[in-house]
Amino acid sequence: AQSVTQPDIHITVSEGASLELRCNYSYGATPYLFWYVQSPGQGLQLLLKYFSGDTLVQGIKGFEAEFKRSQSSFNLRKPSVHWSDAAEYFCAVNIRKSSGDKLTFGTGTRLAVRP
Amino acid sequence: NAGVMQNPRHLVRRRGQEARLRCSPVKGHSHVYWYRQLPEEGLKFMVYLQKENIIDESGMPKERFSAEFPKEGPSILRIQQVVRGDSAAYFCASSPEGTGSPLHFGNGTRLTVT
Repeated sequence: AQSVTQPDIHITVSEGASLELRCNYSYGATPYLFWYVQSPGQGLQLLLKYFSGDTLVQGIKGFEAEFKRSQSSFNLRKPSVHWSDAAEYFCAVNIRKSSGDKLTFGTGTRLAVRP
Repeated sequence: NAGVMQNPRHLVRRRGQEARLRCSPVKGHSHVYWYRQLPEEGLKFMVYLQKENIIDESGMPKERFSAEFPKEGPSILRIQQVVRGDSAAYFCASSPEGTGSPLHFGNGTRLTVT
């Protein structure tokens, strides 16, 4: 079965600093990969997705992620963090089957931003 | 266009009562998924439904939990005889049929069992 690992439970960065959130997946083939963000008390909002093609994908809010097949990773990055980026970030894997799409989520990384 | 609508946002039940959680998918979406989020954990898949059919319920507890997505009306997640361990946030997501599009999530229902 596929799995997703987010090794960092909490990360704190200063506003304006760069950010990288790690995500590793376990699956025999290349899955569809996603990053979602969840603000307190809210649902999940899609930041970006990777299906195929260019391994560096751009998302909303200035985020990007790079798929590295050799490392089974899909790390999320942002060059300059804003205070409003404080939230919880989830990496997810989608193994498409003929019967539908089912996401497997990592346990999340909670981002705090220092002023 | 309205997104995925879930109600109620907050639900408090005493042990032994029933909880009914509703989800109206994005207009035109015929695929609905339910996920559960426990404190400090990620989202866990529960069930996947299409109109009038349960496609995958591999994440549903075998007892007390059921889900439906009728031809008309919202999808319902029903938890009978709730216990404290059922306290969690329950999220519904929808997607268009067969497109592989990312899921659209609702804001969740936070169930508290006292």
